[in-house]
Parts: sequence; C-alpha cells; structure tokens
Amino acid sequence: NAGVTQTPKFRVLKTGQSMTLLCAQDMNHEYMYWYRQDPGMGLRLIHYSVGEGTTAKGEVPDGYNVSRLKKQNFLLGLESAAPSQTSVYFCASNPVRGGSEAFFGQGTRLTVV
Amino acid sequence: AQSVAQPEDQVNVAEGNPLTVKCTYSVSGNPYLFWYVQYPNRGLQFLLKYITGDNLVKGSYGFEAEFNKSQTSFHLKKPSALVSDSALYFCAVRETNTGTASKLTFGTGTRLQVTL
Repeated sequence: NAGVTQTPKFRVLKTGQSMTLLCAQDMNHEYMYWYRQDPGMGLRLIHYSVGEGTTAKGEVPDGYNVSRLKKQNFLLGLESAAPSQTSVYFCASNPVRGGSEAFFGQGTRLTVV
Repeated sequence: AQSVAQPEDQVNVAEGNPLTVKCTYSVSGNPYLFWYVQYPNRGLQFLLKYITGDNLVKGSYGFEAEFNKSQTSFHLKKPSALVSDSALYFCAVRETNTGTASKLTFGTGTRLQVTL
C-alpha cells in the first residue's frame, strides 16, 4: 500500500519555466490538498479538492493551478515559475470523515533559479 | 477563520526529562486537533488526535496531548524524552463544521531538540 506518492522528489527550474507536480493516492480518499513549507512559516495551503472534478483556493493560491480529473490524482501546476516559489511542496489526502487524520506524501523540493 | 499558534520556535530538553510542546488554536466551532512530526527530509507523520471525549489523548511513541477547551490549548507531552524524539512538530486544527470543506490549518512548527 503506497499511500500518497509525489512525483518528482526534486526539481530545479529556471524563472519563467512551467512544470506540473503529481500527487497520487491509493486510499480512495475524497479530500486532497497541496501545501508549501517554508522555514518559519509552517505549512500553508495552496489549493485543495473535496472530490473528483472540484478544486478550491487555499490561503496562498497565486501563481499555481490545480486539477483533479481522477479521484486518485491531484496535480499542481506552475505556469511561470518565480524564485518566490522555491519551497518544499507536500500533498496530503484524507477521507471525508472530519476527525480523520491526513496522510502526507514525502514532499517535492523545488528550486527556482 | 481557524488558526493555530505554536509560540515556541524551539524547545530544548535533556534526555529522560519530561517535554511539553505548546499549541493554542482558534476556531468558530468545535475543533478536531492533530499533532504531526516531521523528521529531516521526510513528510509529516501523524502522532495523535483529539476528536471528542477524554481530554487526554495518547498517541504514537509515548506521546500524549491534553485538550483544554477553556484555554483553547492542545499541548503535546511526553514523560521522558529520547534523543530520537528530536524533530519538527506541527499542531493542526480542523473545524467540525464540514461546511468549510474540512480544511486543515497548521501552526508554524516547533523544533524539539533532545540532548544527552
């Protein structure tokens, strides 16, 4: 049982380039999230999804887009990368039950130069 | 809007001593509360949670946390710290009203350093 898998684990981008981060979960969870982790700022929610075909903005959505075409996958896109998007990105998922804990992927370390 | 505060950036404890990592929260309704741990270059691992019932919650690796509604706190505790407990700890809250789409809000994290 793989849980939550993020691809890629590391990436270096040049300013202005685009890329897509893939999150896949095999637990049939309804909810999925993308967070970014920066030193001293904890985890901040970028976008989230409450089910296939639905997405919503979190607290820091600017510069990112997402899609949830299949229940098990949640994609995070950067259309034109900026140095301010250098961060560690985490994907998480959890079932509908509010008291359920979220399961996290191992993270993607992205550097924009 | 819901929020979480972890007032200490770092907590230093000697091995064998008790440890406390503080967390306070703010929600408009009743909270679900969680503690996660992060080891270097790893994702977050779930430690324990409070949903309802007994205010003292026991979790993995000997950790426990006490829910205090009047103080809106959910402090993480362990009676005897180990060097291997050194890591980054995150407190998180989710409102029980799922109309907010079950968003999980994290604190800024507390680094626990346990020394011999």
